[in-house]
Amino acid sequence: GAGVSQSPSNKVTEKGKDVELRCDPISGHTALYWYRQRLGQGLEFLIYFQGNSAPDKSGLPSDRFSAERTGESVSTLTIQRTQQEDSAVYLCASSAPRGSTYEQYFGPGTRLTVT
Amino acid sequence: GQQLNQSPQSMFIQEGEDVSMNCTSSSIFNTWLWYKQDPGEGPVLLIALYKAGELTSNGRLTAQFGITRKDSFLNISASIPSDVGIYFCAGSLNSGGYQKVTFGTGTKLQVIP
Repeated sequence: GAGVSQSPSNKVTEKGKDVELRCDPISGHTALYWYRQRLGQGLEFLIYFQGNSAPDKSGLPSDRFSAERTGESVSTLTIQRTQQEDSAVYLCASSAPRGSTYEQYFGPGTRLTVT
Repeated sequence: GQQLNQSPQSMFIQEGEDVSMNCTSSSIFNTWLWYKQDPGEGPVLLIALYKAGELTSNGRLTAQFGITRKDSFLNISASIPSDVGIYFCAGSLNSGGYQKVTFGTGTKLQVIP
């Protein structure tokens, strides 16, 4: 079956430009998460969407980062005025509905390089 | 952000050896998850644990949810070269339908053929 997909798989951008990263979760998964993973590091939580509830944005590192989700489907993570320290792999995960299992399923990630 | 303490950070083992890694937290969780990440890929779920004391196996992998709900371990028996990768633990606490997940710092496993 279809898993979590992300696009683009790789993105190279110049410092100061804006970028948009896309995530398509598994159909029926109401929860969606964005993480950042720097080279050789663990997963850094960015933002969490659960159904129609207000998202948990507590992990966003600055106001240059924002994310939107259309209903219970696609999400986009936007980074404005990119900086070199934004270079990382951005991972998206989705999980099953409330009251069910709490297992997150990850996409392959978007590798962002800011030059 | 908050992270779990995972150990060891890295390990080199001979093919055929058993491996053990663990995760500890200062706070309790009601779900523990173990993931494996291959280079250039997203993490893949290996085992999920839902009850304190639960011991679950998936092939050569065995994981346990600690009685205190603050720790978990993962064992890999008879390691093979394809076990190479980074293993992450994750703790989840469901509070009012909100599934906050915290990840460990990862254990990098290298298997020497």
